[in-house]
Amino acid sequence: QDELQESGPGLVKASETLSLTCSVSSASVRSHFWSWLRQTPGKGLEWIAYINDVDRTNYNPSLNGRASVSKDTSKNQIFLTLTSLTTTDTAVYYCARGSPVRWLYFDSWGPGMLVTVSS
Amino acid sequence: QPALTQPASVSASLGQSITISCTGNSRDIEAYDYVSWYRQHPGEAPTLILFDVNKRPSGISDRFSGSKSGDTASLTISGLLVEDEAVYHCSSFSGGKTDVLFGAGTKLTVL
Repeated sequence: QDELQESGPGLVKASETLSLTCSVSSASVRSHFWSWLRQTPGKGLEWIAYINDVDRTNYNPSLNGRASVSKDTSKNQIFLTLTSLTTTDTAVYYCARGSPVRWLYFDSWGPGMLVTVSS
Repeated sequence: QPALTQPASVSASLGQSITISCTGNSRDIEAYDYVSWYRQHPGEAPTLILFDVNKRPSGISDRFSGSKSGDTASLTISGLLVEDEAVYHCSSFSGGKTDVLFGAGTKLTVL
């Protein structure tokens, strides 16, 4: 199984921008689909976006264009930027690999990172 | 509000079987056989246990099985073990606005 590790600030202020990094080992980000998801106690899991092997991206429209995903193949990292934060963006954020069977099956996950948005 | 509906909690005794339901609509579960299930222990990331309704990834026990009827998918766990106590999440592809939907999760207690 691949190893993924999320990193970034654990506390950000409302209206600011969140930037998260997912470092991947044992696999190349040049292959597969790579997604960001988040989890809140009340709403459960929510898929945010993916970037694929040819840098095509796809986003959950519920985020209203606030999310952006990119990657750096030289560092084998995936990035998430989320703008105009509100307290409802407080969640545990995960990066995950899409299965070779279908991108929407997430077969490797990072441990997750709690991000708190303060007002 | 999660798009897929799961019971908040279920319980069953050690060694018994349990079935967890996941209800969507005509644009997701009913329309596509792209249903998956994840198990999540406290403080850990989810683990994929079923995909394409009833297929198991390598290393997942055959005690886990899945099915679908109409707009409802089901996860059945047989021969319950203590380690099965966890939260189970269902997911489906959707032809609606959002490609991937999840339920809120079902907490399984093994008595």
